[in-house]
Amino acid sequence: GENVEQHPSTLSVQEGDSAVIKCTYSDSASNYFPWYKQELGKRPQLIIDIRSNVGEKKDQRIAVTLNKTAKHFSLHITETQPEDSAVYFCAARANFGNEKLTFGTGTRLTIIP
Amino acid sequence: IAGITQAPTSQILAAGRRMTLRCTQDMRHNAMYWYRQDLGLGLRLIHYSNTAGTTGKGEVPDGYSVSRANTDDFPLTLASAVPSQTSVYFCASSESQGSGYGYTFGSGTRLTVV
Repeated sequence: GENVEQHPSTLSVQEGDSAVIKCTYSDSASNYFPWYKQELGKRPQLIIDIRSNVGEKKDQRIAVTLNKTAKHFSLHITETQPEDSAVYFCAARANFGNEKLTFGTGTRLTIIP
Repeated sequence: IAGITQAPTSQILAAGRRMTLRCTQDMRHNAMYWYRQDLGLGLRLIHYSNTAGTTGKGEVPDGYSVSRANTDDFPLTLASAVPSQTSVYFCASSESQGSGYGYTFGSGTRLTVV
């Protein structure tokens, strides 16, 4: 089955700086890669996703990049703000014959004012 | 109901007791899932259902059972709770197979087994 590794487990950045979280996956059949943000005591919420037919996707201050050859994908947050502090999870899923997402173990991001 | 609803929000349960966590969605999503979240371990899949009438085992199914009698409901049952089942449980749903859409999560159930 799929295995997703996520690094780092914790990350602290100064407000206004950029943050990068990286994930690797094992199943070359995976073709859908979402990122979730979970604030303290809340449910995970989808913030951005990418499919294997594109290499990069942006949504305002958030971007995700995908390298299919190396089987890794990354979340980039620019101009970080205090409200970006949360736990971020990456996930991967093979589209055909398998609905289930496999999640990384999460990154706790802290933005230092 | 808007989206996906879980109940109860939290529960303290004596070891050995039986408990059912409820999950209901009104989005007509075919697929539903139960995950448990533990510190440092992320989200681990317990059971899933691709469509009403079918269920499957995830990564950590032991001690849990599910049923999917209809599209909307996907209850998770702990037959005889043990302290290692202390966790936060999230129910989620997604559109039909091959859609490529992410999950919608419920608000979670915090379960403490003592």
